[in-house]
Amino acid sequence: GAGVSQSPSNKVTEKGKDVELRCDPISGHTALYWYRQRLGQGLEFLIYFQGNSAPDKSGLPSDRFSAERTGESVSTLTIQRTQQEDSAVYLCASSSSGGANEKLFFGSGTQLSVL
Amino acid sequence: GNSVTQMEGPVTLSEEAFLTINCTYTATGYPSLFWYVQYPGEGLQLLLKATKADDKGSNKGFEATYRKETTSFHLEKGSVQVSDSAVYFCALLLGGSNYKLTFGKGTLLTVNP
Repeated sequence: GAGVSQSPSNKVTEKGKDVELRCDPISGHTALYWYRQRLGQGLEFLIYFQGNSAPDKSGLPSDRFSAERTGESVSTLTIQRTQQEDSAVYLCASSSSGGANEKLFFGSGTQLSVL
Repeated sequence: GNSVTQMEGPVTLSEEAFLTINCTYTATGYPSLFWYVQYPGEGLQLLLKATKADDKGSNKGFEATYRKETTSFHLEKGSVQVSDSAVYFCALLLGGSNYKLTFGKGTLLTVNP
């Protein structure tokens, strides 16, 4: 596609429910990244995919958070048993091959609100 | 640890005013420095970057100079336009990856006609 696409753009859920957030990277990009931004905070790195494997999951905040990627395409971030502190904007980015000097292309994010 | 502190907003200016958004950093090493911009309804975009001390990044009339002595990377523009209204993020990157960016909290800029 022309850019990184994320869906839904907004999600409201009740505490304790599971949610799935989707990211479609730029076509042909092998590297994909998830970040989140909580209100009043900077962006936090969550996980990095190279193809369908995740060499760096160091930013996932708890075992309620998981992510998968099918091939070099769509990725899904799943949050189980959501808590109010999970409320944030979840951003996805992709880059061509994950090289150290590559530019990241970001989606416009999913605003998650946990009531 | 690494951190980025940027000027808190919101910042409201009139068209053609001079803009400065301050950014200072703390890093264990020699980072690359970035400014990202997020226009309403769009994703984050790289605005400019500098990879070593005294480098000046520039794009779309914006400039920022990597000042190692003051650990700063302030964003400036001589004459802002309404279309510059956006959230601006300062960020640093250390090490061999391209993704473990440390971001500031963002500064909302509104430019009025």
